[in-house]
Amino acid sequence: AQSVAQPEDQVNVAEGNPLTVKCTYSVSGNPYLFWYVQYPNRGLQFLLKYITGDNLVKGSYGFEAEFNKSQTSFHLKKPSALVSDSALYFCAVRGSNDYKLSFGAGTTVTVRA
Amino acid sequence: SQTIHQWPATLVQPVGSPLSLECTVEGTSNPNLYWYRQAAGRGLQLLFYSVGIGQISSEVPQNLSASRPQDRQFILSSKKLLLSDSGFYLCAWSVSHYGYTFGSGTRLTVV
Repeated sequence: AQSVAQPEDQVNVAEGNPLTVKCTYSVSGNPYLFWYVQYPNRGLQFLLKYITGDNLVKGSYGFEAEFNKSQTSFHLKKPSALVSDSALYFCAVRGSNDYKLSFGAGTTVTVRA
Repeated sequence: SQTIHQWPATLVQPVGSPLSLECTVEGTSNPNLYWYRQAAGRGLQLLFYSVGIGQISSEVPQNLSASRPQDRQFILSSKKLLLSDSGFYLCAWSVSHYGYTFGSGTRLTVV
């Protein structure tokens, strides 16, 4: 079985400060890892993914994530947060032989001006 | 380019009424298709997925059913809605390992 844990329900940061959203996972075989963002009453938007290769993945809107196999983590980061980054963020994982994507419970990010 | 259409955007239905939500994908062939439900703006629950026409896998026993009558069409249905069916329903598609692309969602309120 595969699963994702996002240990923080909420993350609050000041604009201009670094932002980190934590994610750990469990999966059989090689993981495919993803981050999505959701704004109120909208569908999920893809931010970035790790499939293979460089452990540091760069994505949309200045976000990046680092794959750490030994710690089974895939934390999302942004060096300087914007108020417009306030949203709900989901980490997701699937095994390389699986069709299904498992999502974490989500982390609400609030960036204050 | 690939696009996914999901409708309606919002729906208010009485308890006991039927439901039909439709999702269509353009610009790709033989996609994997998924229905998720999101309750209270939080976690996503996978309801159904399909890897081909007429093939449906159900993840959670419930009051809902799904069908895939065409390659790029995925329908979520219910014969009689319950209050607990309220939520935000999301359709998604994927090909290979490129992650999912989500529709814009349907907000269903059962009253």
